[in-house]
Amino acid sequence: TQLLEQSPQFLSIQEGENLTVYCNSSSVFSSLQWYRQEPGEGPVLLVTVVTGGEVKKLKRLTFQFGDARKDSSLHITAAQPGDTGLYLCAGNYGGSQGNLIFGKGTKLSVKP
Amino acid sequence: KAGVTQTPRYLIKTRGQQVTLSCSPISGHRSVSWYQQTPGQGLQFLFEYFSETQRNKGNFPGRFSGRQFSNSRSEMNVSTLELGDSALYLCASKEGSTYEQYFGPGTRLTVT
Repeated sequence: TQLLEQSPQFLSIQEGENLTVYCNSSSVFSSLQWYRQEPGEGPVLLVTVVTGGEVKKLKRLTFQFGDARKDSSLHITAAQPGDTGLYLCAGNYGGSQGNLIFGKGTKLSVKP
Repeated sequence: KAGVTQTPRYLIKTRGQQVTLSCSPISGHRSVSWYQQTPGQGLQFLFEYFSETQRNKGNFPGRFSGRQFSNSRSEMNVSTLELGDSALYLCASKEGSTYEQYFGPGTRLTVT
């Protein structure tokens, strides 16, 4: 069974702090995606990484894909209350087919 | 383009009944995947349909089934509902050969 381990499970920080969320597996991904989900809504796609060692930036969010394509991280700089939500990583092991394996998520709370 | 839509948004059913959920993908997307999200198990892949054919299937019992129509709209059916089927059911669509999946807002199913 392919598993995605996401850590930490919960994170509560003050506005302005930095944080990193990790996503690890023993398997190699074809691609990895990060999503943010708010209560009662569907996940919203933030980024897709495909190439080992790839780094992508989205404003204050930096996404990194491990060289071996088995792990990824999400770093948020100067977190804001609007960053609050559930962050999910999802791996695709079967090429471009639509069966994503999701981590359990990191619930982030940013307090003003 | 309009996003993925799901109907209904909320549903309450009794144990033993059956239910049908509907998903309309983003225009031009031919792949539709279904996921179940629960607090304990997180997001789990149910199945994927592409051009009216089931392309992938997750590890769920045969009570869970789906289909896709020629306009790419998809339905998911759960028969003989159990209390444990209470969950947020999400559908996601994507173009045929890309990695990115875009989620709808979900249908919150409560089984009493």
